[in-house]
Amino acid sequence: EDQVTQSPEALRLQEGESSSLNCSYTVSGLRGLFWYRQDPGKGPEFLFTLYSAGEEKEKERLKATLTKKESFLHITAPKPEDSATYLCAVKGGSNYKLTFGKGTLLTVNP
Amino acid sequence: DGGITQSPKYLFRKEGQNVTLSCEQNLNHDAMYWYRQDPGQGLRLIYYSQIVNDFQKGDIAEGYSVSREKKESFPLTVTSAQKNPTAFYLCASSGGQGFGNQPQHFGDGTRLSIL
Repeated sequence: EDQVTQSPEALRLQEGESSSLNCSYTVSGLRGLFWYRQDPGKGPEFLFTLYSAGEEKEKERLKATLTKKESFLHITAPKPEDSATYLCAVKGGSNYKLTFGKGTLLTVNP
Repeated sequence: DGGITQSPKYLFRKEGQNVTLSCEQNLNHDAMYWYRQDPGQGLRLIYYSQIVNDFQKGDIAEGYSVSREKKESFPLTVTSAQKNPTAFYLCASSGGQGFGNQPQHFGDGTRLSIL
């Protein structure tokens, strides 16, 4: 059974203070690892797909990386508008579904 | 703009009542999904549909039903058999009939509460 564990559960940063969120996973035959951002009362917004170990993707202040066991979402010089819950999900083998982690609640204080 | 529209945003259910949540997409996606989100838990799959007139149970299908009569629409009915229906319900869609590695795209959810 595919499993995803995200850490920390919550992270509080000062504006400009860079940090990383972790997503550890076990999956049979990774087809893709997905990062989403979710604002309160909204649906998840797709950020990145990573397909194989060593791959990196960037978007503004966010950079996602992937190894065979985990993925990191690096946030460089965050701003208050980066505050949200960040979700990680994996899709494996011939599976039809995504397996989600519980998310990391990021708060960036001005 | 292409996207997924869920309605209503808020819904209240009385005891013994069935309620239906609407999900419409104009992304021309074959696959559609329903998830339930509870505080402190990851998203859990209720039902999914790879093509019109076909759907499969997910991990927590008991007390729910769906239909897929049109490519654009995938309504979810929360029946009176679902004893703990209070949650945030999310609809998603993806290309490629759900296999492969296309990302799922989500609507903005319906929050269901018990009166």
